Amino acid sequence: KNQVEQSPQSLIILEGKNCTLQCNYTVSPFSNLRWYKQDTGRGPVSLTIMTFSENTKSNGRYTATLDADTKQSSLHITASQLSDSASYICVVSARGSTLGRLYFGRGTQLTVWP
Amino acid sequence: DTEVTQTPKHLVMGMTNKKSLKCEQHMGHRAMYWYKQKAKKPPELMFVYSYEKLSINESVPSRFSPECPNSSLLNLHLHALQPEDSALYLCASSHPRTDTQYFGPGTRLTVL
Repeated sequence: KNQVEQSPQSLIILEGKNCTLQCNYTVSPFSNLRWYKQDTGRGPVSLTIMTFSENTKSNGRYTATLDADTKQSSLHITASQLSDSASYICVVSARGSTLGRLYFGRGTQLTVWP
Repeated sequence: DTEVTQTPKHLVMGMTNKKSLKCEQHMGHRAMYWYKQKAKKPPELMFVYSYEKLSINESVPSRFSPECPNSSLLNLHLHALQPEDSALYLCASSHPRTDTQYFGPGTRLTVL
């Protein structure tokens, strides 16, 4: 069964600190993995996309890693800011899958305190 | 233009009302999607249009009726909804040859 699991479910950190969010997946055959940021009541915004051959990808203070062998990904946020408070969703697509068929994790709710 | 826009931002309707949600994109994407998202849950796919034709209907109740009048527009017509249909409705679009979906800001729907 194709699944995406994220941990932790929620996380509270102080402004300026770093944090790492985890994503494990069983989607097969794997095509790509994305991390989205979703503010409350808003649509998800793509942060990074990684294919099978990519191990690391950065977007400003966000760095995603992918281990396709262990089917794990992480999202590292450096020097957190109050505006980083949001839900971070890991989304995986399968190669050759039906158009639009994405597998969503339940998200990690990150709260950054001043 | 790299945006997907949705109107209205908020909608409150009674169970006997008829209303419509609108979605628009000008990125030349030929695949468009409707999702429903409940609080603290991931988005659930409802419909997919590819080249203005409905290609996926995830067994959505007939009180939700999608329409794709042209390649830039996607509507979701609502009729006789139930309170449990209250949710954030997200529209997304993608180029058919990639599966990177760009999401709109959503419409927050409340059914009384």
